Amino acid sequence: DAGVIQSPRHEVTEMGQEVTLRCKPISGHDYLFWYRQTMMRGLELLIYFNNNVPIDDSGMPEDRFSAKMPNASFSTLKIQPSEPRDSAVYFCASSPYEARTEAFFGQGTRLTVV
Amino acid sequence: AQSVAQPEDQVNVAEGNPLTVKCTYSVSGNPYLFWYVQYPNRGLQFLLKYITGDNLVKGSYGFEAEFNKSQTSFHLKKPSALVSDSALYFCAVRDLGYGGSQGNLIFGKGTKLSVKP
Repeated sequence: DAGVIQSPRHEVTEMGQEVTLRCKPISGHDYLFWYRQTMMRGLELLIYFNNNVPIDDSGMPEDRFSAKMPNASFSTLKIQPSEPRDSAVYFCASSPYEARTEAFFGQGTRLTVV
Repeated sequence: AQSVAQPEDQVNVAEGNPLTVKCTYSVSGNPYLFWYVQYPNRGLQFLLKYITGDNLVKGSYGFEAEFNKSQTSFHLKKPSALVSDSALYFCAVRDLGYGGSQGNLIFGKGTKLSVKP
């Protein structure tokens, strides 16, 4: 398996534009997590899914952020409209249902909003 | 609610010396605990985990961690540090609660390890 695949790796966009980040989890994994990492706030959980269903989205900063998982092999995180303070590295991770199994992370998407 | 604390923002160690990166946790029930490492411009990589059994668990790159239930700690250790161990280290706990939060993976804020030659 190629691991968790995120795209794009880097994204530079202007303030006010819509940004869509993509994630392909490892096949067969039941959980999918979206995290955001910044110097100031560290690693924050934004939302996670179990079997394509959002379980906890309390970490989503505001209504400008939305996440979907239309099927077991694909998830998106959308920011509309984007703001400079959204600049961060966004990570996707997936894990099997069994809680004793570790999660696997993608390489991340570095988002810069200018 | 489950939580993880990493009390040190940074740990500095000389190469060849032993290193310890601290982690304490708060859970209801038995914890599933994990350590991850992040090198610059990379994603998080799994190092080791404690599920049950022996309190000393061994992982990748010569790292080990000691689970201490009475102190609710899970400190990461290595007998002899290498310059290449310099990275950001994260402790995490898996939420085994029932209802809305089951399965959640909760991370500490991370500890930057710097190993000098």
